[in-house]
Amino acid sequence: GQNIDQPTEMTATEGAIVQINCTYQTSGFNGLFWYQQHAGEAPTFLSYNVLDGLEEKGRFSSFLSRSKGYSYLLLKELQMKDSASYLCAAMDSNYQLIWGAGTKLIIKP
Amino acid sequence: GAVVSQHPSWVICKSGTSVKIECRSLDFQATTMFWYRQFPKQSLMLMATSNEGSKATYEQGVEKDKFLINHASLTLSTLTVTSAHPEDSSFYICSAGWTKSSYEQYFGPGTRLTVT
Repeated sequence: GQNIDQPTEMTATEGAIVQINCTYQTSGFNGLFWYQQHAGEAPTFLSYNVLDGLEEKGRFSSFLSRSKGYSYLLLKELQMKDSASYLCAAMDSNYQLIWGAGTKLIIKP
Repeated sequence: GAVVSQHPSWVICKSGTSVKIECRSLDFQATTMFWYRQFPKQSLMLMATSNEGSKATYEQGVEKDKFLINHASLTLSTLTVTSAHPEDSSFYICSAGWTKSSYEQYFGPGTRLTVT
């Protein structure tokens, strides 16, 4: 079956760095997405990886290893506004997104 | 660009009534629209995929007669929850895209439905 695993919750300190891991198993693979979702709001797109390696976008970076079925989202210089849930989603061979349950990130001052 | 709106943003209705939720792509023509449901602290669950001018494709376990989806134009899709029950209370989110590929997908702000 198809499955996405990511930690339920993580806590980090303002100004620090945090890495949120995601492992996936899908029927075929057309890319790995990371979305940010604040409580009560819809997800917003953060990143898309389809090739192995690290993609950097400002304070956020996303890494993919297709052979390992593994990705991570790296957040640097954490700010209080980064407190949110981070959703990992893999696209299968039918271009359907398979969603993880999300990682709730708590930022402490 | 790529703005998607939803209306209403929240709605409270009585059990047994029907509720219609609108999803509009404001600055682009959306060939495909997706409807999701999200329960508290859970992941997004895809309910159905709709293409303009054709019938929606429902995910397994989603009752097509209960959740009516109409994608009448390239900028508007509607989800009607018929004979709503308290267990239908959830956060409903639409997303819109240009192609079959979900990569080009933009989310609306969501609609919070509470059935009393």
